[in-house]
Amino acid sequence: GQQLNQSPQSMFIQEGEDVSMNCTSSSIFNTWLWYKQDPGEGPVLLIALYKAGELTSNGRLTAQFGITRKDSFLNISASIPSDVGIYFCAGPGEYGNKLVFGAGTILRVKS
Amino acid sequence: EAGVVQSPRYKIIEKKQPVAFWCNPISGHNTLYWYLQNLGQGPELLIRYENEEAVDDSQLPKDRFSAERLKGVDSTLKIQPAELGDSAVYLCASSPGGTMNTEAFFGQGTRLTVV
Repeated sequence: GQQLNQSPQSMFIQEGEDVSMNCTSSSIFNTWLWYKQDPGEGPVLLIALYKAGELTSNGRLTAQFGITRKDSFLNISASIPSDVGIYFCAGPGEYGNKLVFGAGTILRVKS
Repeated sequence: EAGVVQSPRYKIIEKKQPVAFWCNPISGHNTLYWYLQNLGQGPELLIRYENEEAVDDSQLPKDRFSAERLKGVDSTLKIQPAELGDSAVYLCASSPGGTMNTEAFFGQGTRLTVV
């Protein structure tokens, strides 16, 4: 089945630094979603990408749909303590009937 | 607009006991999902409903797990009997349907601990 690989697995950064993480797929995706999950909560949708090459921002977050359609990137500028959490990439399964998730990137911010 | 509501938030049971989880999706969302999330991993689909019909339950362990979505709104997920390996977070999500069906909105989840 389709698999999503996220890197890095975890990051420990200084408050104010920019963050970059990515997600690669073994097959082509038509949609890329980025979610954030806080401890004890469900994932919350941050950004949705629907077109190869698309670059979309949501506040300090920017995500890009890779032109090969097999990868996506999420950048966070000027990190703050509340950015702490697990960031998941996700995309529709083979038949578009479910979301396939990566294993997540754990972000820790040192203030 | 209210989000996806799940209850209970936490549940601790002894192995071999039954347990049930409840989900109320976002109003008007025809598609409902139950996901399983193990520690350190992303969510994995258990079952997907389109209205009251289960259209994808291939990942649901049917020997012990069951689900229903009566009237195409609320849903319950049941485990009977529970095993130690069932300890995980059970997430419910819903989608509007149509071209927006990829964007799933999640509830807070139910954290199950089987002892």
